[in-house]
Amino acid sequence: ELKVEQNPLFLSMQEGKNYTIYCNYSTTSDRLYWYRQDPGKSLESLFVLLSNGAVKQEGRLMASLDTKARLSTLHITAAVHDLSATYFCAVETDMRFGAGTRLTVKP
Amino acid sequence: DTGVSQDPRHKITKRGQNVTFRCDPISEHNRLYWYRQTLGQGPEFLTYFQNEAQLEKSRLLSDRFSAERPKGSFSTLEIQRTEQGDSAMYLCASSLGMGGRAADTQYFGPGTRLTVL
Repeated sequence: ELKVEQNPLFLSMQEGKNYTIYCNYSTTSDRLYWYRQDPGKSLESLFVLLSNGAVKQEGRLMASLDTKARLSTLHITAAVHDLSATYFCAVETDMRFGAGTRLTVKP
Repeated sequence: DTGVSQDPRHKITKRGQNVTFRCDPISEHNRLYWYRQTLGQGPEFLTYFQNEAQLEKSRLLSDRFSAERPKGSFSTLEIQRTEQGDSAMYLCASSLGMGGRAADTQYFGPGTRLTVL
């Protein structure tokens, strides 16, 4: 069965710090997605990674994909409070989502 | 463009009743997806349409669930004989459908929260 595992599931960090969220998946997939979800809200697409080695950046967030290692990362640079949300990765196969990483950025 | 809309936003029903949800995608989008999300979990894929054709359906989807997209525009998701385990947020998403099946960005609606008593 396809598994998509995110690590960590909960992350509390201070403003200005850097951190990386990891997304491991158990089957081959050339495409991976990152979404953001605020409490009580729906999902917002952040990145679509279409091939091995893909790297995309938007503001303080940068996502990368290593299809050989079946690993994607979401790197947060100099975190700010507005980044507090739950972040999901999803693998194209069966559109399987991870359980999410709940990020809290504290002053 | 008003984005993806879903109706109703909240539904409370008694066990054994049937419920139907509606999703209106972004007007030019030809792909439409249904997901279910329970508290603290990621969305779970249910089914996917390209235009009016239902191309994929999750193996986990019970026979009590059925979805339609009769004219390739709005879609409905019906749950028959609801059970307490059906309580969840039901999310709809649409995409423009360029390139591969899921290579394009999905835009999610606000969801319908179902509570089965």
